[in-house]
Amino acid sequence: GEDVEQSLFLSVREGDSSVINCTYTDSSSTYLYWYKQEPGAGLQLLTYIFSNMDMKQDQRLTVLLNKKDKHLSLRIADTQTGDSAIYFCAESGGNNRLAFGKGNQVVVIP
Amino acid sequence: GAGVSQSPSNKVTEKGKDVELRCDPISGHTALYWYRQRLGQGLEFLIYFQGNSAPDKSGLPSDRFSAERTGESVSTLTIQRTQQEDSAVYLCASSLGTPGGEQFFGPGTRLTVL
Repeated sequence: GEDVEQSLFLSVREGDSSVINCTYTDSSSTYLYWYKQEPGAGLQLLTYIFSNMDMKQDQRLTVLLNKKDKHLSLRIADTQTGDSAIYFCAESGGNNRLAFGKGNQVVVIP
Repeated sequence: GAGVSQSPSNKVTEKGKDVELRCDPISGHTALYWYRQRLGQGLEFLIYFQGNSAPDKSGLPSDRFSAERTGESVSTLTIQRTQQEDSAVYLCASSLGTPGGEQFFGPGTRLTVL
């Protein structure tokens, strides 16, 4: 079955890098995603990685995938106050449903 | 509209009453999804529509929950005889229906059952 684990809270100073981690159990996961949820706003897809990739970089965002350990991470470089949000990782096994972790709250301290 | 819309944005109801939540997906999106987010939790999948049919209803928590979609557009999620544990934000998403295709989320309906 699908099960996605995330740690809950991260505090980071503005300008530093943030790293958020996630583990998942479904070895058939095809796509892995990072979503951002800001207060009062809907979920926004930040980036995704296909399961045959190890790394994906998109401007300030770097996604690392360790398929052997079923570990996914998101690194945000030069963290800004606008990055304060809850970040969810999610997986899809190609069946169109997404399985989400519980989310990581990131608080950026000016 | 430009994005997924949901109504109402907030709903307060009494235990035992029925509620209907509405989702308007992005025009042209054949796939539509309902998720539930309890306070401090991640999203739980409820049901997935491809067109007007629901090939995956496995996330519906009980037979009090049902959903339908008409005209490959609007979907309604109905909760009968609401219970306090149904209190959550109900999120709708739509996508083009291709494998791995981005799901675009609406702002959600916050349901509070007193």
